[in-house]
Amino acid sequence: TQLLEQSPQFLSIQEGENLTVYCNSSSVFSSLQWYRQEPGEGPVLLVTVVTGGEVKKLKRLTFQFGDARKDSSLHITAAQPGDTGLYLCAGAYLGAGGTSYGKLTFGQGTILTVHP
Amino acid sequence: KAGVTQTPRYLIKTRGQQVTLSCSPISGHRSVSWYQQTPGQGLQFLFEYFSETQRNKGNFPGRFSGRQFSNSRSEMNVSTLELGDSALYLCASRLEVNQPQHFGDGTRLSIL
Repeated sequence: TQLLEQSPQFLSIQEGENLTVYCNSSSVFSSLQWYRQEPGEGPVLLVTVVTGGEVKKLKRLTFQFGDARKDSSLHITAAQPGDTGLYLCAGAYLGAGGTSYGKLTFGQGTILTVHP
Repeated sequence: KAGVTQTPRYLIKTRGQQVTLSCSPISGHRSVSWYQQTPGQGLQFLFEYFSETQRNKGNFPGRFSGRQFSNSRSEMNVSTLELGDSALYLCASRLEVNQPQHFGDGTRLSIL
């Protein structure tokens, strides 16, 4: 059974501060996605990382994929109240036959609150 | 381009009843996956369908079942509902293997 550990579970910060969310596993991912979910809505895809060591930027958000493809991080610079939400990492693991067949394993999520 | 559409958005049932949830994927997507989201367990994978065939299944009892139609629309059925089945049920679709999944806004199921 693959487990995905996401930390921290809760983050409460002031507007303008920086933060980092971590996602770790003992297994290798074939790909990893980061999603953001707001109350009453489904998760919205932020980014997909596939290559070990990959870094992707989305405005003030920076996503890193570990060299061994077992961990990832999301860094937000100068957080704003509009960044408030639930952030989820989700990994696709290679199964028998070399594909993950649509199964994503999710971390428990990080509830981020940015105060004005 | 329309996203993933799930109906109904909200549903209230009583223990012992059964329920059917519907999911229409993004146009052109042939893979549909279902997830259950609860505060205690987070998001857990139920099953995935591709071209009307179930390709992968999570660790849920046989009361949870699904199917996919030739137009890629999918339905999920839960029989003999239990209080613990109260959750947000999310459907996701993707274009091809190893492509990211895109989620609908879910069906909120409450069991009384």
